[in-house]
Amino acid sequence: QQQVKQSPQSLIVQKGGISIINCAYENTAFDYFPWYQQFPGKGPALLIAIRPDVSEKKEGRFTISFNKSAKQFSLHIMDSQPGDSATYFCAASAGGGADGLTFGKGTHLIIQP
Amino acid sequence: EAGVAQSPRYKIIEKRQSVAFWCNPISGHATLYWYQQILGQGPKLLIQFQNNGVVDDSQLPKDRFSAERLKGVDSTLKIQPAKLEDSAVYLCASSQSPTEKLFFGSGTQLSVL
Repeated sequence: QQQVKQSPQSLIVQKGGISIINCAYENTAFDYFPWYQQFPGKGPALLIAIRPDVSEKKEGRFTISFNKSAKQFSLHIMDSQPGDSATYFCAASAGGGADGLTFGKGTHLIIQP
Repeated sequence: EAGVAQSPRYKIIEKRQSVAFWCNPISGHATLYWYQQILGQGPKLLIQFQNNGVVDDSQLPKDRFSAERLKGVDSTLKIQPAKLEDSAVYLCASSQSPTEKLFFGSGTQLSVL
């Protein structure tokens, strides 16, 4: 059973555009929702994370939108740049942090110059 | 601050051979994780240590995989004997505690022929 469903599998966005990646979860006990960015040959790196007590969190060009009732959360990348081209993973855990993280299958994002 | 160190970077073996991976977490991080990342998928937790004790190994194929974290610092993951389906990137990650952020190493890419 896939606990975190991520879409789309791949995404192509023009430079300067908005990239949007969506995730849905089933376990209502989840209380920590991070997004990770992974470049080829590197491990995933924490990008931004949110807890369910807020509906939105913004860090620079990256924003997480969280909808608790729909059990969905999304990553928005504003003014997308070629350097943002990477694979993005959403994840969720019920331990408030690193413990028990379940990852989505990833979105391969390409930003065209 | 030094990141999570892993070695070797790449490993190619034939099926039924054995292989070992090494990980040195970020200094002071009590919690250490081993993840398996199959091509095109998100990381999947294999085993979690808290100091030198195992917290969760429910998804570790114990008939062929083993892991240890002697002295609560660095850790080794072993596969014996390897199967073709073990081809993947093996990621080590660490956190200060289970409720804190997760930091990944660059991983070991294993190819089983």
